[in-house]
Amino acid sequence: QKEVEQNSGPLSVPEGAIASLNCTYSDRGSQSFFWYRQYSGKSPELIMFIYSNGDKEDGRFTAQLNKASQYVSLLIRDSQPSDSATYLCAVNMYGGATNKLIFGTGTLLAVQP
Amino acid sequence: EPEVTQTPSHQVTQMGQEVILRCVPISNHLYFYWYRQILGQKVEFLVSFYNNEISEKSEIFDDQFSVERPDGSNFTLKIRSTKLEDSAMYFCASSGEFRETQYFGPGTRLLVL
Repeated sequence: QKEVEQNSGPLSVPEGAIASLNCTYSDRGSQSFFWYRQYSGKSPELIMFIYSNGDKEDGRFTAQLNKASQYVSLLIRDSQPSDSATYLCAVNMYGGATNKLIFGTGTLLAVQP
Repeated sequence: EPEVTQTPSHQVTQMGQEVILRCVPISNHLYFYWYRQILGQKVEFLVSFYNNEISEKSEIFDDQFSVERPDGSNFTLKIRSTKLEDSAMYFCASSGEFRETQYFGPGTRLLVL
């Protein structure tokens, strides 16, 4: 069974701290990795995507990919209360032969003012 | 900024009735998708659509489901005879290229009574 796994949380961090969200995936052939943010009752909103091993930074967000360990993470620097949401890891698996996204269950982040 | 739109935002229907959920993808996108999210669960892929035909579908997408692009802008999901377990948020998404980032619409909350 091809899976994407995340700790459901909640992950609680104080305002201004770094939040670290992690995701593992089972298909070694996966090629595209996405982080979406989902507020309660709303749709997934793209935060970042990453295709290559290493780090990718966009403002306060850094995505990290390690294909050898089948691990992708999202760091949020200077966390704000407005960052409180569920963060969904999504993977395009099956060696790129498909463009469907497999989602993890999401990690609930709570930023405490 | 271009966005995916969906109508209606909420739909309540009786078991056994047909429903049609509508989506307007981003105008220059070529790939269209439907996902669903049962309350408290992960986002699940239903179907992808390209070049006026289904390119991939999940096990959930059985004979009760169908998709159509009736004109140059709309993309619809029809559920022929709704069941209680079809109650969920249904998200439409679109992407410009194969395996490129998918952008999600705001969703339709379907409640089957």
